[in-house]
Amino acid sequence: GQQVMQIPQYQHVQEGEDFTTYCNSSTTLSNIQWYKQRPGGHPVFLIQLVKSGEVKKQKRLTFQFGEAKKNSSLHITATQTTDVGTYFCAGRHTGTASKLTFGTGTRLQVTL
Amino acid sequence: NAGVTQTPKFQVLKTGQSMTLQCAQDMNHEYMSWYRQDPGMGLRLIHYSVGAGITDQGEVPNGYNVSRSTTEDFPLRLLSAAPSQTSVYFCASSYSPSNTEAFFGQGTRLTVV
Repeated sequence: GQQVMQIPQYQHVQEGEDFTTYCNSSTTLSNIQWYKQRPGGHPVFLIQLVKSGEVKKQKRLTFQFGEAKKNSSLHITATQTTDVGTYFCAGRHTGTASKLTFGTGTRLQVTL
Repeated sequence: NAGVTQTPKFQVLKTGQSMTLQCAQDMNHEYMSWYRQDPGMGLRLIHYSVGAGITDQGEVPNGYNVSRSTTEDFPLRLLSAAPSQTSVYFCASSYSPSNTEAFFGQGTRLTVV
């Protein structure tokens, strides 16, 4: 089936360190979204990428969509304790654009 | 503006019982979906709907039914609860099925004993 995998599953960093999570799809994606879920909360939309090779920034967060539209990454510069949570990518596979398939998620823990 | 409202927030069921998880949105979104979240497995799509009267299966539809009689409501029915259905369930909606952000409800934590 159409799968979206994320690595790492878990990362623990000290405040101020950088963090990156990677998302890989088994098939080409028409677009990819990123969500953040705080502990005990629900997923909240961060951004959507549509074009091959697209790069978008939100303050300390940088999102990339691969040239082949099968992978994506989220990089956080100088993490803060407010960045704690689980980050999910979610993609729509070409041909089944109405289904939003979520990745397995990366849980980020930030300590002082 | 309430967004996406799910009820109940918590539920304990006995094996074999049936129940309906409610989901309502007030944003006039066409697309609605149900996910279950289990540790280490992300969010898996159960069923989705691209508009009133139209539903389709996601990745893990077995044991669940849905209907979409109105744009606002998208209930999820568990026909005969099993311990494997213990999970956190999220309902989501979006304006369009193909390229807009999904808004999630607060979730329902279901335990089947």
